[in-house]
Amino acid sequence: DTAVSQTPKYLVTQMGNDKSIKCEQNLGHDTMYWYKQDSKKFLKIMFSYNNKELIINETVPNRFSPKSPDKAHLNLHINSLELGDSAVYFCASSPGGGATGNTIYFGEGSWLTVV
Amino acid sequence: ILNVEQSPQSLHVQEGDSTNFTCSFPSSNFYALHWYRWETAKSPEALFVMTLNGDEKKKGRISATLNTKEGYSYLYIKGSQPEDSATYLCASPSSGTYKYIFGTGTRLKVLA
Repeated sequence: DTAVSQTPKYLVTQMGNDKSIKCEQNLGHDTMYWYKQDSKKFLKIMFSYNNKELIINETVPNRFSPKSPDKAHLNLHINSLELGDSAVYFCASSPGGGATGNTIYFGEGSWLTVV
Repeated sequence: ILNVEQSPQSLHVQEGDSTNFTCSFPSSNFYALHWYRWETAKSPEALFVMTLNGDEKKKGRISATLNTKEGYSYLYIKGSQPEDSATYLCASPSSGTYKYIFGTGTRLKVLA
């Protein structure tokens, strides 16, 4: 069983479209994240949620709207897609925040290409 | 702003060689240091989480040390194998929050 699963794995879409990436974790974790792998291959935090509440919003454009219907799910909706949104988006989860050194578990990534 | 840096950026070694790379981080307000192994087209996989100064962790041929006073961690691979080829990432939570800051990674290529 995949601990953190995200769908779709690959997505090719046109500029201006709205798309969603879904994420689910079956680890019973309280905290979930979205990370973006940028063009330089860096992993950058976008959002952190704890118990369905937004904790971190790392100056992401408001075209990106995360939604956490419950602790096990954190979906990412992107409006009016732009070419620069092309990237790999990783969902992740951890038992809690970083103060106690909680390990982050990552999904396999969603490869978004905007044409 | 927490800045996590890794060096070298990339590394080629021969099969059987031992190697090591560095992660540096601010020593103030330290909470934890993570190492991840990331193969292309797969998800980053946790190797170690270290929280105490002087911590040493080992998993097979891979080990890591932590010096929180001077703000660095070393990852060692003994007798490198081609399957060790991957990007090795370190990360540290920013002031203990839910914001883990990742380094830029060290891309290791082990040549058979």
